[in-house]
Amino acid sequence: DTEVTQTPKHLVMGMTNKKSLKCEQHMGHRAMYWYKQKAKKPPELMFVYSYEKLSINESVPSRFSPECPNSSLLNLHLHALQPEDSALYLCASSQEGQNYGYTFGSGTRLTVV
Amino acid sequence: AQSVTQLDSHVSVSEGTPVLLRCNYSSSYSPSLFWYVQHPNKGLQLLLKYTSAATLVKGINGFEAEFKKSETSFHLTKPSAHMSDAAEYFCVVTRGGYSTLTFGKGTMLLVSP
Repeated sequence: DTEVTQTPKHLVMGMTNKKSLKCEQHMGHRAMYWYKQKAKKPPELMFVYSYEKLSINESVPSRFSPECPNSSLLNLHLHALQPEDSALYLCASSQEGQNYGYTFGSGTRLTVV
Repeated sequence: AQSVTQLDSHVSVSEGTPVLLRCNYSSSYSPSLFWYVQHPNKGLQLLLKYTSAATLVKGINGFEAEFKKSETSFHLTKPSAHMSDAAEYFCVVTRGGYSTLTFGKGTMLLVSP
């Protein structure tokens, strides 16, 4: 299995809702990442988990809450989002040391109404 | 510190003609370099990577790139464009390991019949 699987593919939520994005990989990668991508822009790093511990938080607002329950799963919990948070949310994973590059999922297209 | 400059925001070619997407990088370390492709509303797919082995790197779908340290460049080429190559292309630099990725701003490749 050489994929990163993200669910759901599309999500529409109101500003008072609570929802979660899910990401799963079975490649044995020990680092997992959340990126946010606005239209016609490169992805922007949000969070990095290394060996299931949060190692980087790029000053992301607290309405985004990551969770890494185990080495294969990564969640992003969403609460009280704003319309400007509408974007493509990408999950990625990587191995260490040999510069294998990151494997990205297909993303969740989030629309906040 | 590291950075990536993609010299063209848009490149237009005709089907069957060569493709050249230009990328210059800056890095204080020996970099690892990648090209990713993103089709509309999709995640990022790794095209090829340079990790200090051969300077001419061959990737998927007939793409290749040459690492030129003296010119700090890592341009992406393909001898003959196909309609399915139309997409956004990102040049990416990293220090490797679990270092985070630094993305260029992207180049949109347009392929006309």
